[in-house]
Amino acid sequence: EDQVTQSPEALRLQEGESSSLNCSYTVSGLRGLFWYRQDPGKGPEFLFTLYSAGEEKEKERLKATLTKKESFLHITAPKPEDSATYLCAVVDNQGGKLIFGQGTELSVKP
Amino acid sequence: DSGVTQTPKHLITATGQRVTLRCSPRSGDLSVYWYQQSLDQGLQFLIQYYNGEERAKGNILERFSAQQFPDLHSELNLSSLELGDSALYFCASSVEGALDTQYFGPGTRLTVL
Repeated sequence: EDQVTQSPEALRLQEGESSSLNCSYTVSGLRGLFWYRQDPGKGPEFLFTLYSAGEEKEKERLKATLTKKESFLHITAPKPEDSATYLCAVVDNQGGKLIFGQGTELSVKP
Repeated sequence: DSGVTQTPKHLITATGQRVTLRCSPRSGDLSVYWYQQSLDQGLQFLIQYYNGEERAKGNILERFSAQQFPDLHSELNLSSLELGDSALYFCASSVEGALDTQYFGPGTRLTVL
């Protein structure tokens, strides 16, 4: 069965303290991996799509990378406004749906 | 603003009742997806419609049904509601399939008392 596991469940950082979030997956043929950001009570907001191992994408302080078994979301010099839950999701070779992980709740203190 | 709209924003109802949630996709998107998000289950895929036809099904209960209309808006019907159905319900839309970026609406918070 396809599975997505995110770690850690929660992460507290000081402003400027860089770190990484992990998304490991077990799927039958990865077709795509997505990162979303979700603020409390709001809908997920799209960040990145990665399609193949070795691919990297960057946006402001965020950088997503992909290997054959996991993806990392690196946050460089985070600010308090980066506080949110970060969700990872995969599409398998059935192609029909997004399978989400439980998310990592990031808190950045000034 | 993702361009996806959902109504109502909040819904409070009683067990055994039936409710309808509505979603309008982004302009140009043909696919609509419904998700349920509860504290213990995370974000769970329910169902996808593409241009009026059901395309993929997830963990959707038999008490739940959905449809997509010719103008591409979609409705999710929840019946015989139980306390455990209390959750945030999100709609998302994409150009075509699940490999396209899905843009999520603001959600409907359903509370069943």
